Amino acid sequence: EPEVTQTPSHQVTQMGQEVILRCVPISNHLYFYWYRQILGQKVEFLVSFYNNEISEKSEIFDDQFSVERPDGSNFTLKIRSTKLEDSAMYFCASSLSGTGVNQPQHFGDGTRLSIL
Amino acid sequence: KNEVEQSPQNLTAQEGEFITINCSYSVGISALHWLQQHPGGGIVSLFMLSSGKKKHGRLIATINIQEKHSSLHITASHPRDSAVYICAVRFYSGGGADGLTFGKGTHLIIQP
Repeated sequence: EPEVTQTPSHQVTQMGQEVILRCVPISNHLYFYWYRQILGQKVEFLVSFYNNEISEKSEIFDDQFSVERPDGSNFTLKIRSTKLEDSAMYFCASSLSGTGVNQPQHFGDGTRLSIL
Repeated sequence: KNEVEQSPQNLTAQEGEFITINCSYSVGISALHWLQQHPGGGIVSLFMLSSGKKKHGRLIATINIQEKHSSLHITASHPRDSAVYICAVRFYSGGGADGLTFGKGTHLIIQP
């Protein structure tokens, strides 16, 4: 069964450094998402992406964050100048359609980001 | 404020018991998801509902749109069912795409 893959599984970065989290969505999916889960807290929506542009973003997704689909298969989340509070598990998800009614979102296993 | 509430937060049961996890939400939704999060952190989609009831193996999910409430049931529970079960919804007011709003999850432990 096709799956969403995320790399790396664990990323350790110094505060202030830039980090790029990578995702390969399911190949025929059209909608892509990033979520994050701070340790011990609930999962939070960051951003959704369709047709090479951001469809929706949350208050969390400020100017330090950006997303890109550079080559038709990868979907990346860039955090420009990392802060300690960016430490979290970041999940990528994809879905075939954007209505949310008939198509589930498929999640990757996540990237654990640790900021030192 | 659009919110998703789950209960109970923690549930410990004996193998074979019938399990019910509840989810309620504040305003109208276009879809509700039940997800399972394993100890390693990975998330698996179990169900997506907009009305009625769905069944997959020993898992049953129901939703009552009028009451803004959904339940996830596990029949003949087994220790391998131990995980965090998360309810997530897509609120109508959220705009064009499908960012989900998540509940805090129910931590289920099934003891042999």
